[in-house]
Amino acid sequence: EVQLVESGGGLVQPGGSLRLSCAASGFTFSSNEMNWVRQAPGKGLEWVSYISSSGSTKYYADSVQGRFTISRDNAKNSLFLQMNSLRAEDTAVYYCARVRYSGNSPYFDHWGQGTLVTVSS
Amino acid sequence: DIQMTQSPSSLSASVGDRVTITCRASQTISNYLSWFQQKPGKAPKLLIYAASSLQSGVPSRFSGSGSGTDFTLTISSLQPEDFATYYCQQSYGTPRVTFGGGTMVEIK
Repeated sequence: EVQLVESGGGLVQPGGSLRLSCAASGFTFSSNEMNWVRQAPGKGLEWVSYISSSGSTKYYADSVQGRFTISRDNAKNSLFLQMNSLRAEDTAVYYCARVRYSGNSPYFDHWGQGTLVTVSS
Repeated sequence: DIQMTQSPSSLSASVGDRVTITCRASQTISNYLSWFQQKPGKAPKLLIYAASSLQSGVPSRFSGSGSGTDFTLTISSLQPEDFATYYCQQSYGTPRVTFGGGTMVEIK
């Protein structure tokens, strides 16, 4: 069974840092591209960051570019999101999501349960 | 970025009703469109991918259609467990995917 379990969320002051983790199991983690998606309280879904299966290619939403860093450890089946210079508007539940393909069409087939990040003084 | 516009933003329906949600892309996205269901406090759950393919384990009362810029999610006979918020997502601009604003389906 595919499982994605996020951890590392919590309360942090503006300007602070936090590192999120996503532990993967039930599939060959090193073969899958991964993403982070967030959801502010009462709001919709926002894509945050992407990483290729090898970790060599990374992309970020403009709203987090230069502050967040995505990485992975395929030997440990883990995905990470290092978040620096946090702002109140980064407050959200953060989900990791696996990418699958139907032909050339990618889709997010499995999501973790999410971890809440609250940025507040 | 590709913008996704969902309508309606909310709807009230009764058990057994046929429900249709639409999603429009700001540019053509071929069939690079997914639909998700989200219940309060839970992660999104994939229902439909590639515009019309039903994810394994999802009831057949859910169906998707469309191509290009206009897409539809249909629930043929609404069940009590279907009351939730539904999101469309385009992946044509991958990795910069974008989501629609959501449609909340409430009990009438």
